[in-house]
Amino acid sequence: SYELTQAPSMSVSPGQTARITCSGDALPKRFACWYQQKSGQAPVLVIYEDIKRPSGIPERISGSSSGTVATLTISGAQVEDEADYYCYSTDSNNNHVVFGGGTKLTVL
Amino acid sequence: EVQLVESGGGLVQPGGSLRLSCADSGFSFSSYWMSWVRQAPGKGLEWVANIKQDGSEKYYVDSVKGRFTISRDNAKNSLYLEMNSLRVEDTAMYYCARWACGGDCFFDYWGQGALVTVSS
Repeated sequence: SYELTQAPSMSVSPGQTARITCSGDALPKRFACWYQQKSGQAPVLVIYEDIKRPSGIPERISGSSSGTVATLTISGAQVEDEADYYCYSTDSNNNHVVFGGGTKLTVL
Repeated sequence: EVQLVESGGGLVQPGGSLRLSCADSGFSFSSYWMSWVRQAPGKGLEWVANIKQDGSEKYYVDSVKGRFTISRDNAKNSLYLEMNSLRVEDTAMYYCARWACGGDCFFDYWGQGALVTVSS
C-alpha cells in the first residue's frame, strides 16, 4: 500500500523558517498537497500540486518537491502558523487517497 | 461562497447504524467528485470514501468496505454516508469534502465535520 511519512512534531521560534517534509516512494510521479489544521478546526488546503498556493494563503507558505520528498516551507513563521500539517497524495488512478501522519508545528 | 454543512452525527451503540448528510452550496455540486474523510480523536486524517459526479463510481478505504455506503442526490445538492455495523474504532469526526480533479485530485473545500461516537 502507498504510504506518506512525516515527522510527528517540530518546533521553531517566531520569525524562523519551518520546513516540514513528507516522503513517499510514488512522489516522483504524483503531486503532493498540504493541509493545515488548527486546533478544533477543519483542515484547510494551503498547497496543491506540489507548489501552488490557493487564494488567501499567505506568501510565506510555499511548497516544493524533489524526488521522493515533498517539503512545506513556512518562512518567518508566526504564532498563528501553529497547527498540524498533513501531506496528501493519491495513487496513480486517483482511486485511493493517502494522508501522511501529520506534523505538529509549535511556534514559540 | 462554497459551503459544506454536515449533519446526522451522534452517539450509537456498537453494531448500530447512522446516516450522515452533507448539504452543499455555492458551487455546481453535480460537477464534482465528493468525499468523506474522518479523524479519530487525537489522530490523523483518514480518507473514507469517494463518489463520482453521477454516482457511477465509488471507492472506499478497506476498513469500511461492506459496511459504509456513500451516495449523493444532485437534485438536492447533498452527499450522504450510510454507516452500518458500526465499531468502536469508527468513532471520529467525519468531514465532507469537495474533491477537485484536474490531472491529479485533491480536497479543496471541507465542512466543519459531524462527530460520530460508537460506544456502549
